[in-house]
Amino acid sequence: KNQVEQSPQSLIILEGKNCTLQCNYTVSPFSNLRWYKQDTGRGPVSLTIMTFSENTKSNGRYTATLDADTKQSSLHITASQLSDSASYICVVSDRGSTLGRLYFGRGTQLTVWP
Amino acid sequence: EADIYQTPRYLVIGTGKKITLECSQTMGHDKMYWYQQDPGMELHLIHYSYGVNSTEKGDLSSESTVSRIRTEHFPLTLESARPSHTSQYLCASSDPGQGDQETQYFGPGTRLLVL
Repeated sequence: KNQVEQSPQSLIILEGKNCTLQCNYTVSPFSNLRWYKQDTGRGPVSLTIMTFSENTKSNGRYTATLDADTKQSSLHITASQLSDSASYICVVSDRGSTLGRLYFGRGTQLTVWP
Repeated sequence: EADIYQTPRYLVIGTGKKITLECSQTMGHDKMYWYQQDPGMELHLIHYSYGVNSTEKGDLSSESTVSRIRTEHFPLTLESARPSHTSQYLCASSDPGQGDQETQYFGPGTRLLVL
């Protein structure tokens, strides 16, 4: 069964600290993996997208890694800010473009305290 | 900021009423989607469209219907709302021409409460 599991379910950190969120998936065949940020009451916004051949991608203070062999991804947030408080969702696609199915994780709820 | 809009943002309605959730995008994307999301849970695909006059049911069984008469517009209709329909509904669009980099752009969502 194709699944996407995220950990931890929730995380509280102090402003300025770093943190790492995990995503494990069993989706096969694999096309790409995305990380989204979803603020409370808003729709998700794409942070990064990685294909099979990519193992690291950065977007500002966000760095995503992908190990396609172990089917694991992580999202590292550097020097956290209050505005980073949100749910971070891992999404895996099983093939490209028109025929692709998306599998969503339940998200990690991150809270950054001042 | 994605150019995809949803109205209303919040809706409280009584059981049995007919409702239509509006979604429009100005990016010219062929593909559009409707998702349902409950608090702390993953998004579930309920409908999608590859383009004008194309509509498909998603993974989650839904009593709603959709239409795609124009590229930019993808409304979702509930003929008779029930308390079990209480949820957040998210609309999204994407451009399949992006290939492996195809990314979904989400609207702000409609929070529906059926009493």
